[in-house]
Amino acid sequence: AQSVAQPEDQVNVAEGNPLTVKCTYSVSGNPYLFWYVQYPNRGLQFLLKYITGDNLVKGSYGFEAEFNKSQTSFHLKKPSALVSDSALYFCAVRDEGGGFKTIFGAGTRLFVKA
Amino acid sequence: DVKVTQSSRYLVKRTGEKVFLECVQDMDHENMFWYRQDPGLGLRLIYFSYDVKMKEKGDIPEGYSVSREKKERFSLILESASTNQTSMYLCASRLGDMNTEAFFGQGTRLTVV
Repeated sequence: AQSVAQPEDQVNVAEGNPLTVKCTYSVSGNPYLFWYVQYPNRGLQFLLKYITGDNLVKGSYGFEAEFNKSQTSFHLKKPSALVSDSALYFCAVRDEGGGFKTIFGAGTRLFVKA
Repeated sequence: DVKVTQSSRYLVKRTGEKVFLECVQDMDHENMFWYRQDPGLGLRLIYFSYDVKMKEKGDIPEGYSVSREKKERFSLILESASTNQTSMYLCASRLGDMNTEAFFGQGTRLTVV
């Protein structure tokens, strides 16, 4: 069965410092991995995805994520955090065995302090 | 610009009422989804549809039904609203390919009193 874990409910980082939001997954086949961001009282916005190819994926707003097959991880990163990055971040996974379904993690709230 | 539009941002309904949540997308997407979002639980799939008039149960379909009469519209129905259905409801759509991302509506915050 598919599953996604975001081990941290909350991540705090100072503005200008690098940030990492962690995600691990479990699927039976090849994974399709996604990161979404949610600002207050809004729907989710797509940030980036890993389908195949280069393990380092670049996305919107300066975010990137590294796919690590041996550790079954897909951590979200940014070299220099902004206060405006403060939001709720969701990792999601899909695989061919799961059909149309996408499984979302519980979410990690990122606070960037000025 | 792609759009998924949910008919209401906020709703307050009484216990036992029949509630309709509407979602419209303008991207000609095959797949549409209804999720509910609760703190600490992430997004849980209620129902999805991969084509007009087709629907599949998600992980938590009890107390809900859906309708997809046209490709662009996917409705979520709470047959008899209960207080435990107070939640944020999110509609999403995407193309049918496995590697495509979803586009979400702005969400409907439903309160059942």
